[in-house]
Amino acid sequence: QSALTQPASVSGSPGQSITISCTGTSSDVGGYNYVSWYQQHPGKAPKLMIYDVSNRPSGVSNRFSGSKSGNTASLTISGLQAEDEADYYCSSYTSSSTLEGVFGGGTKLTVL
Amino acid sequence: QVQLVESGGGVVQPGGSLRLSCAASGFTFSSYGMHWVRQAPGKGLEWVAFIRYDGSNKYYADSVKGRFTISRDNSKNTLYLQMNSLRAEDTAVYYCAKDLFTTTFYFDYWGQGTLVTVSS
Repeated sequence: QSALTQPASVSGSPGQSITISCTGTSSDVGGYNYVSWYQQHPGKAPKLMIYDVSNRPSGVSNRFSGSKSGNTASLTISGLQAEDEADYYCSSYTSSSTLEGVFGGGTKLTVL
Repeated sequence: QVQLVESGGGVVQPGGSLRLSCAASGFTFSSYGMHWVRQAPGKGLEWVAFIRYDGSNKYYADSVKGRFTISRDNSKNTLYLQMNSLRAEDTAVYYCAKDLFTTTFYFDYWGQGTLVTVSS
């Protein structure tokens, strides 16, 4: 399965909002509402931030929000904070021939 | 609290085998699907394999199909990954991850990872 497409990097100043896109196909992102987002700080395990396109697990700040249009999902972080600086990955599953998971290539968020 | 602890990583020669384990605690292991996800040094995440809560269904990434086998022992709360015919490109940190429900492919808890290095 091919990886989902994310921008390699995005940046923003504290207090600003940024959006990270995640583009797939009708076999994954566009075909299902099973999109999730993960935050990973250096040397740490990833953390689930969004699932079902736009749902936040308990404990995740409401500054994080998700959406989807067609084959593209998006993660928006509002009120940027220094601790948001991390790598972000989108994920979906595809059932083209069998069930498989697929991740985006990852986006490095820099808080200026 | 949920804990996932991987073990079994190390250095292995190309063509060799290794078995990873993931000890789970803090939740009803037998009720949830489980995954292996890997991350090559400096690279992104790659989903590797999934097993249903009862072991009845298993799915694999094309890159490992036919070489890796995922299994679980619900009586021991342990997940396994048997890796055969290892290649240099299998070098990565391997994470076990719990599925949010049964088969959602949402990974809500992760272990700390175990490093597998394939090198001669």
